[in-house]
Amino acid sequence: EILMTQSPATLSVSPGERATLSCRASQSVARNLAWYQQKPGQAPRLLIYAASIRATAIPARFSGSASGTDFTLTISSLQSEDFAVYYCQQYDDWPQTFGQGTEVEI
Amino acid sequence: QVQLVQSGAEVKKPGASVKVSCKASGYTFTGYYIHWVRQAPGQGLEWVGWINPNNGDTDYAQKFQGRVTMTRDTSISTAYMEVSRLRSDDTAVYYCEVVTGIIYWGQGTLVTVSA
Repeated sequence: EILMTQSPATLSVSPGERATLSCRASQSVARNLAWYQQKPGQAPRLLIYAASIRATAIPARFSGSASGTDFTLTISSLQSEDFAVYYCQQYDDWPQTFGQGTEVEI
Repeated sequence: QVQLVQSGAEVKKPGASVKVSCKASGYTFTGYYIHWVRQAPGQGLEWVGWINPNNGDTDYAQKFQGRVTMTRDTSISTAYMEVSRLRSDDTAVYYCEVVTGIIYWGQGTLVTVSA
């Protein structure tokens, strides 16, 4: 099973600041990596798939990048609606595995 | 557009079974595996297993083997996940998911297990 490790667990930022979230895979997942945003009581919302492709209707302030087994989600200028929990997911191999989440808080 | 529509919330007693459905539309149902993922209250996301709608093949996470059964009805483009011998720690939102290049999720089904 591929282990996905997210850091930090909690990220405290102010509106307008840049946020950088990390996700590391225990082995290669190629570019089969997705990022999700989840708010309380809601289903996960797909932000990024294939490591760097924004999903439909996702604002340009969200971007994804990859370097080997290290993946990054960057939110260029945090808006109030961006405070949430973010998960990474590898879908290169079964079982699919998820990171434990990063909470972005004010 | 691709849509996955799941059945409604369920409340079950410990030891009972629950069957959740996931109706797919907007793509070739038999062309892509359907995965099931669950999320217990306040917890992260956990993969449960997949079904190949083309031939019915399945694979389940080790911890669910023997208690989870995934099936499908290709005539109505619907996948099902049944969990038997429910326990209180099976209380969770269950999601179906399909990867067609892009990843699509159902809206989730809350299963509550309580005496």
